[in-house]
Amino acid sequence: AQKITQTQPGMFVQEKEAVTLDCTYDTSDPSYGLFWYKQPSSGEMIFLIYQGSYDQQNATEGRYSLNFQKARKSANLVISASQLGDSAMYFCAMREGMSGNTPLVFGKGTRLSVIA
Amino acid sequence: GAVVSQHPSRVICKSGTSVKIECRSLDFQATTMFWYRQFPKKSLMLMATSNEGSKATYEQGVEKDKFLINHASLTLSTLTVTSAHPEDSSFYICSARTQGGVSNQPQHFGDGTRLSIL
Repeated sequence: AQKITQTQPGMFVQEKEAVTLDCTYDTSDPSYGLFWYKQPSSGEMIFLIYQGSYDQQNATEGRYSLNFQKARKSANLVISASQLGDSAMYFCAMREGMSGNTPLVFGKGTRLSVIA
Repeated sequence: GAVVSQHPSRVICKSGTSVKIECRSLDFQATTMFWYRQFPKKSLMLMATSNEGSKATYEQGVEKDKFLINHASLTLSTLTVTSAHPEDSSFYICSARTQGGVSNQPQHFGDGTRLSIL
């Protein structure tokens, strides 16, 4: 079964508008972390934001915020005031457990295109 | 911040060649590194977990004799694609976390290696 599901293969957003990228996850482990990464066409993986399963508040990092709904097992990424440079693939990922040695498992990604 | 260096960034070689990809943690020690493979317009698929001083742990379906992983030091892991064939062409990317890191620390990724086998 898919542990991370991103249902939007592609999204378009007008420059300066906000956009929400969906992510749902599946785990029975009470301790987990959720991550969002950006991958431009050049290929590097850029860490954006993190949300822990025990965090009470939604994570925010500049223009990025994470809408964490634990009961629904969703961790949607919100990008405010979109910029042309935000055009890229966005991956939601999860790490289960508190160990530092468990890998990230990635969703299929969402390709975001920002339109001028 | 923590940086992971991956080399080479691009390789084009003939079928049958073995190719070695290096992954280095530049300013931190990494007892564990991860190797991923990414097909065009697809997600990152975990290939193996590289453990310093011990054998790598391979994911189901990944041939350990085909993809040799050596984690000889706390800052270096290598992936060797042995006798590469065109179907091995892909984007390979490594990542690492700081030693003893807690779960909220992100994995830092190398810039990836684009492997093309002719």
